[in-house]
Amino acid sequence: GIQVEQSPPDLILQEGANSTLRCNFSDSVNNLQWFHQNPWGQLINLFYIPSGTKQNGRLSATTVATERYSLLYISSSQTTDSGVYFCAVEGSSNTGKLIFGQGTTLQVKP
Amino acid sequence: GAGVSQSPRYKVTKRGQDVALRCDPISGHVSLYWYRQALGQGPEFLTYFNYEAQQDKSGLPNDRFSAERPEGSISTLTIQRTEQRDSAMYRCASSLIPGGGWNEQFFGPGTRLTVL
Repeated sequence: GIQVEQSPPDLILQEGANSTLRCNFSDSVNNLQWFHQNPWGQLINLFYIPSGTKQNGRLSATTVATERYSLLYISSSQTTDSGVYFCAVEGSSNTGKLIFGQGTTLQVKP
Repeated sequence: GAGVSQSPRYKVTKRGQDVALRCDPISGHVSLYWYRQALGQGPEFLTYFNYEAQQDKSGLPNDRFSAERPEGSISTLTIQRTEQRDSAMYRCASSLIPGGGWNEQFFGPGTRLTVL
C-alpha cells in the first residue's frame, strides 16, 4: 500500500520563527490533507490540497503531485501552533481511506 | 451542531465487556469513516460507509469489531469482549460526497477508550 513519510519528526521553535514541514508519499494520490492535532487531542483540518498551493493566514501548503511531496509552511509561529501536524493521503485507487504519516511534533517556545 | 460529534468522549471499561461508540456526522454528509489512533501515532483506517452501505471493512482488526449505519446517518462502532490492546482513541470522520477519491474528510473529537 501507499507509504507516507513526514519530516522532521520533532521540531522546537522560538516564537516568531518560520518552519517547513514535509510529507513524502510513495504513489499517486487523489486526496491529500494536512491536520493539526492540538494538545487537547482535536484533529483540525488545515488544508485539502491534492495539488497546487493554498494559503490561510500564517499557514500555506504546496503539493507537487508529480514529484509526490507536499510542504506545509508556518510563518511567524505562535505558542498556539504547538501540537502534532499530520499529513494524510488517499491513493488514486479510490479506496476512501486516508493513510496518515507519523506526524511532526512541533513545540513553539515563548 | 456544525461538526462531527462522538459519544461518549471517554469510556473506561473492564476487560471482557462490550462497548458501543457513537458517531453523528456533519448534516448532509453521505460518507462516514472510522479510524483508531494509538498514542504517539497517526490514525489508522478501520472501515467506512457510503450512505448505509459498508464499503470497506478491511481495517477492522478482528471479528470482535463491527460497525453499522442503518439509516445512513448515525453510526455505531461496537467492540465485543474488549481486551487491553483495544485501548486507543477512536475517531470518526465524515465527507460530503461518497468516499473514494477527491473528497475532504472532517474529524470528530474522538472517544478515548481505556480497557482495564
